Parts: sequence; C-alpha cells; structure tokens
Amino acid sequence: GENVEQHPSTLSVQEGDSAVIKCTYSDSASNYFPWYKQELGKGPQLIIDIRSNVGEKKDQRIAVTLNKTAKHFSLHITETQPEDSAVYFCAAGSGYSTLTFGKGTMLLVSP
Amino acid sequence: NAGVTQTPKFRVLKTGQSMTLLCAQDMNHEYMYWYRQDPGMGLRLIHYSVGEGTTAKGEVPDGYNVSRLKKQNFLLGLESAAPSQTSVYFCASRPAKPMTGGSGYTFGSGTRLTVV
Repeated sequence: GENVEQHPSTLSVQEGDSAVIKCTYSDSASNYFPWYKQELGKGPQLIIDIRSNVGEKKDQRIAVTLNKTAKHFSLHITETQPEDSAVYFCAAGSGYSTLTFGKGTMLLVSP
Repeated sequence: NAGVTQTPKFRVLKTGQSMTLLCAQDMNHEYMYWYRQDPGMGLRLIHYSVGEGTTAKGEVPDGYNVSRLKKQNFLLGLESAAPSQTSVYFCASRPAKPMTGGSGYTFGSGTRLTVV
C-alpha cells in the first residue's frame, strides 16, 4: 500500500517568513495530493491540492509543488501570519482509493 | 449546509463500556470514513464505506465495528472500550468519483473519547 512520510514534525517561523513542509510517497500510481490544515479543536480542512499532471499550483500565499519522478511534493506558505499556526497534513491517493495521510506538521508562527 | 456532523463531541467511558459514535453528512456523498487521530501518529483509517450497506476495514479496525444503514449516516461502535481507544475520532466523506482537484475529503469536527 501507499506510505506517506512528512517532514518536519514541527516548524517554528517568525511572522512574515516562508514555511516549507515536505512529503514523500511510495506508490507511483498515486495521482492526487491534497493538503489539509487542522486548527486546534477542529477537523482537517482542505486548503490546496494538486494532480500528478501538474507540477505547481498556487492560491494566494500558499503553493504546492510536485516532483513525480522523485515522488515528493511540498507545501509552501509565504508571508506567514499568526493565523497560519496549525497542524498541516499531506496525503496521497488515486482514483477511488482511500487517501493515505502523513503524520502531520505543527506550524507555529510567532508575531 | 451542515456538511459532516459528528455526535457526541466529547465522551468519557469506563473500560468495558460500549458506545456508538454517529456521523451524518448532508452532501449526498457515497463514500464515508472513520479515522482516529493520536499524537505523533497522524490520521489512521479505522473503517470505511463506499455505499449504503457496505463497509470495509482500514488500517486499524480491531475493537471497532461500523454500520451504514442509510447513505447519510455512518456509525462507529466500540463494543468493549479499552484505554488504548482513547483518541480523537474523525469522520469524513467524499463523492464517488475519481479523486481530482477539489474532490478531497470533507471532515467532521471530531469526537474526543477518553476511556478510563
């Protein structure tokens, strides 16, 4: 089955800095890679996703890049703000399969 | 739209007691999932369902049972609770089409269960 590794497990940045979270996956059949943000006491929420036929996708301050050859994808957050503090999960899947999630990254943005 | 609603939000059980967690979605989604979240372990799939009347085991199914009698509801049961089942439980749903952009899971807000 699919295995998703996520790094780092915790990340502390100053407000205004950039943050990068990286994930690797094992199943070459995976073609859908979403990222979820989980705020304290809430369920994960989809913030951005990418399909394997696209190398990069941006949405305002967040972007995701995918290297299908190396089987890794990354989340980039620019101009971080305190409200970006949360746990971020990457995931991988394909077709009608279930998503496999990484173990999560706790991002702390200090004012 | 309420999306995915989980009840209860919090529960404390004694070892050996039983309980049922309810997940309800109003998006007409075919697929539904139960995950547990533990510190440092991420989200682990317990059971899932691809349609009314069908269920399947996930990564950590032992000690849990599920039922999907109605399309909009997915029940997670603990027959004899153990302290190892102390966790936060999340339900999720998605439509029955290949995963594409924007068609990922919609999660509920979770149930925090403590077994003492």
